[in-house]
Amino acid sequence: GENVEQHPSTLSVQEGDSAVIKCTYSDSASNYFPWYKQELGKRPQLIIDIRSNVGEKKDQRIAVTLNKTAKHFSLHITETQPEDSAVYFCAASNSRSSASKIIFGSGTRLSIRP
Amino acid sequence: GAVVSQHPSWVICKSGTSVKIECRSLDFQATTMFWYRQFPKQSLMLMATSNEGSKATYEQGVEKDKFLINHASLTLSTLTVTSAHPEDSSFYICSARTGQGAINGYQPQHFGDGTRLSIL
Repeated sequence: GENVEQHPSTLSVQEGDSAVIKCTYSDSASNYFPWYKQELGKRPQLIIDIRSNVGEKKDQRIAVTLNKTAKHFSLHITETQPEDSAVYFCAASNSRSSASKIIFGSGTRLSIRP
Repeated sequence: GAVVSQHPSWVICKSGTSVKIECRSLDFQATTMFWYRQFPKQSLMLMATSNEGSKATYEQGVEKDKFLINHASLTLSTLTVTSAHPEDSSFYICSARTGQGAINGYQPQHFGDGTRLSIL
């Protein structure tokens, strides 16, 4: 089955600087890669996603890149703000399968220093 | 749109009690629902996938007789933790996926607010 690895587990950056979180996946059939932000005690919220037919996607301060050959994908947050502090999870899914279950990475706790 | 309601949000009960958690899709029909468990400072671990009207598919290592899942309608799935023990204490989150409104075959999952279960 699919296995998603995520690094780093914790990340602290100065407010205004950029943050990068990296993930790898094992199943070459995976074609959908969402990123979730989870604040303490709350539900995961989808912040951006990318499909395997594109290499990069951007939404304001957030961007994701995908390298299908290497099975790597990354989240980039620019001009970080205090409200970006949260736990971020990458995930992978094969939307073509009947289950299309999403497998999550281990999470990155991002802290923004004022 | 695409709201998922999970109830209760918080449960404290004695060891040996069975606890039922409900997951409802409020404004869409959920053909598939997923149940996750999350321990403190850890990731979401998929427990099982449930499709309306059929038996749930459990992930490896998850006891189906311990965690009973029912998905009797397109808007409701329930997870029952039977004879709960302290080691079952965790944060349980459901998510629901619609078969409608898919864009290019990708169907987003919508998460409930989670249920914090504490077994004394």
